[in-house]
Amino acid sequence: KQEVTQIPAALSVPEGENLVLNCSFTDSAIYNLQWFRQDPGKGLTSLLLIQSSQREQTSGRLNASLDKSSGRSTLYIAASQPGDSATYLCAGMFDRGSTLGRLYFGRGTQLTVWP
Amino acid sequence: GAGVSQSPRYKVAKRGQDVALRCDPISGHVSLFWYQQALGQGPEFLTYFQNEAQLDKSGLPSDRFFAERPEGSVSTLKIQRTQQEDSAVYLCASSLWGVAGGETQYFGPGTRLLVL
Repeated sequence: KQEVTQIPAALSVPEGENLVLNCSFTDSAIYNLQWFRQDPGKGLTSLLLIQSSQREQTSGRLNASLDKSSGRSTLYIAASQPGDSATYLCAGMFDRGSTLGRLYFGRGTQLTVWP
Repeated sequence: GAGVSQSPRYKVAKRGQDVALRCDPISGHVSLFWYQQALGQGPEFLTYFQNEAQLDKSGLPSDRFFAERPEGSVSTLKIQRTQQEDSAVYLCASSLWGVAGGETQYFGPGTRLLVL
């Protein structure tokens, strides 16, 4: 069974800090990896999607990288703001035939950015 | 355009009741997914449709769970004889093409089910 792990489980930082969220996965047959944001009581908002052939993706202050050989992905948030406070989830899609399509999620990192 | 919508947003059921949860995917999206998210956990896959065909239902936890998408658009997740362990947020997601494209999945706001 594919396992996706996220550390830390929670992170509290002052506004303006650059920070890194970590995600690791055990299956080398990664098809793509996606980072989501979840606000309390709401669904998931897609932030970045990295295909297995790519090494990183950038959107504004966010940068996500993918290292298949080590089974890791990182989400870098530059110049954090209070509005970035949310739970960040990473999810992997793995090329294992009939299960292609399903996302395997980590438990998330709960981020608090205080003014 | 409109995103994925789900109804009801909240559902309280007595143990043993049947419930039906609805998902309206983004118009024209081929793929539709259901996930279950327990408190403090990441979402877990339940089932996947490509158009009206249910191609993967291996994540459904028991035969009390049933999903359908008869016309390839709206989907319903039905839970029969609900039990307390069914309490969770049920998330629906859709993507434009079939899964081989490895596209972004767009999620709805979820239905929060509480079984008393």
